[in-house]
This record gives sequence, structure tokens and C-alpha cells, in this order.
Amino acid sequence: DGGITQSPKYLFRKEGQNVTLSCEQNLNHDAMYWYRQDPGQGLRLIYYSQIVNDFQKGDIAEGYSVSREKKESFPLTVTSAQKNPTAFYLCASSPGLRVYGYTFGSGTRLTVV
Amino acid sequence: DQQVKQNSPSLSVQEGRISILNCDYTNSMFDYFLWYKKYPAEGPTFLISISSIKDKNEDGRFTVFLNKSAKHLSLHIVPSQPGDSAVYFCAASDMYGGSQGNLIFGKGTKLSVKP
Repeated sequence: DGGITQSPKYLFRKEGQNVTLSCEQNLNHDAMYWYRQDPGQGLRLIYYSQIVNDFQKGDIAEGYSVSREKKESFPLTVTSAQKNPTAFYLCASSPGLRVYGYTFGSGTRLTVV
Repeated sequence: DQQVKQNSPSLSVQEGRISILNCDYTNSMFDYFLWYKKYPAEGPTFLISISSIKDKNEDGRFTVFLNKSAKHLSLHIVPSQPGDSAVYFCAASDMYGGSQGNLIFGKGTKLSVKP
């Protein structure tokens, strides 16, 4: 079955450590996205990528970094510069940037202690 | 500044009755609107969408209405079922404007359908 896999589902890290969240899709989608969900805040766009080796900052990119070396993979690194990293992170993909059938992964809950 | 607003954080409805979830937007360039449904600790799933050239789109128990002049859309669920209990996100996009085709999400409305 095609879909998006985010791993792990729960992640704990100590303050000051970088952590990388995995996102893999086998839908052959060109575009991939990272969103962050906080209580009462809805979904906020961190980074997006239209094509391999290209990515753009979203609304809240500070303290995050991404790479898109393969079409299937779009990992997100939460760096120590991110002031409030504890959140629920969602990865999504779509056939193209202006094609609106976003498919979401099941999310990763990151807790920084 | 919030471009997509869901002003009701929560809504409680009796099973079998109609659920109406509302969404307002400020960007007149938005030309495509979607509703997503999300269960706790899961990713959102696509529910229904509507293009700005239409004012209504139906899919089974779900109907979305768009009022462009009021910059308002609503999702109607009839009849409501306990399994509909979830958080519903409204999302919008503009093809040629500031969002560059990305979806802009509202903060969500938590729907509780009581048996």
C-alpha cells in the first residue's frame, strides 16, 4: 500500500541536542511538506519541497533544517536553535505543489526535556 | 495575521443531527478550499474540497458550502455519527498569490458527536 511513513511515533530528546525526524513516501509524489501542530495553533508550515534538491522555508522555519536528496525522503532536523521544539510534527506529500491532494503521515510527537 | 479562521474551537452535537462547522478567510485570492479530519495522534485525512468557481460540493453525508462574497465556507455533516468525533481543519490555497499554492490551515474545530 502506498503512503507516508513517519518514524518514530514518539521521540524524546534532551534540551540542546539536534534531532532528525524521518519522513518517507512511496506515492511517487513530487512535493513534500513539514507541518508543526501545537494545541490551539492548527497546522503551521515549516518547510516544503517541490522537487529533489530544492526546498523552501515556510512560515516557521527558524531552528529547523531539511534536505531532499531523494524523491521519497524529506527528513526534518530540529536544531538546538529551535526555542520550543516540543510539538507534534506532521509530514505530507502531494503530486505537485499546486495539486491539493495532500497525504499526511501519522506524525511524530517530539518531547524535549 | 490569520488568513483562515475557525472561530469555534469546539462543537457538540447529538447523534443523528446536523453538524455545521464554519470557516472564514481573509484572502480574496484563495481559489481552493479543503476540509481535513484528524483523530488524536494521527495525521489529518482529506474529507472534501471545493473550488472557488462552485458554491456547493457534496460527498455522501458531507457537504461544503462556499460564500465568496462573505469569504465564508461551512461543512455540513448529516446525519452526524459518533465516529465523526474528531478535529476538523479548514484549509485554503491561492494559485498565484502569497501562499504559492501551499495550503493555509485554520486552527481546527473539535467536533463531539454524542450517542
